[in-house]
Amino acid sequence: QSALTQPASVSGSPGQSITISCTGTSSDVGDYNYVSWYQQHPGKAPKLMIYEVFNRPSGVSNRFSGSKSGNTASLTISGLQAEDEADYYCSSYSSSSSPVVFGGGTKLTVL
Amino acid sequence: QVQLQESGPGLVKPSQTLSLTCTVSGGSISSGSYYWTWIRQPAGKGLEWIGRIYTSGSTNYNPSLKSRLTISLDTSKNHFSLKVSSVTAADTAVYYCARQRAAGLDFDYWGQGTLVTVSS
Repeated sequence: QSALTQPASVSGSPGQSITISCTGTSSDVGDYNYVSWYQQHPGKAPKLMIYEVFNRPSGVSNRFSGSKSGNTASLTISGLQAEDEADYYCSSYSSSSSPVVFGGGTKLTVL
Repeated sequence: QVQLQESGPGLVKPSQTLSLTCTVSGGSISSGSYYWTWIRQPAGKGLEWIGRIYTSGSTNYNPSLKSRLTISLDTSKNHFSLKVSSVTAADTAVYYCARQRAAGLDFDYWGQGTLVTVSS
């Protein structure tokens, strides 16, 4: 069982917006702004999409945005495109026994 | 441009030791503020953090794996390594090495991953 909770799947049509949630606790997401998001296409390594809750690395589309409220972080993808279909993982710093925790991953399907 | 590349045996027998190396190019493994990290992913499952080593050589391990893990740094070869002892089928996974920034604690560079199968 993953330390951070994500929905198993989400879907949306091209052009729409979707949001993926990532729920933790006050030991991780709630108390620290070290939440990052990763996109993983089948057979590929994960790719950093968002860091420190809402920052985008150079080269990542501004259709990707991040936010946080309480113990839940969110990744929003606007203007969905077919290429966005992938698995998405959140990660956070944790003050508990393991300094890094991941979510279980969310499969995004573009209808 | 920093690049990471995993290498090592793709097949390990049960009870033996899994050994992988991650070679870093495009930057020195001993400079900057980074955690050099191992992450694994069983087929069809999510990411699991294994452990990391800082540029100073200090290590942190996943508590569930700690008793079987060793992560080391070889600055002369610009690579870092993972050893997992007493492996079982549950250790079968794609193993990734990655660079974690100490500033933001995000993983900004990843290797392509290498599949390790534990089987007799």
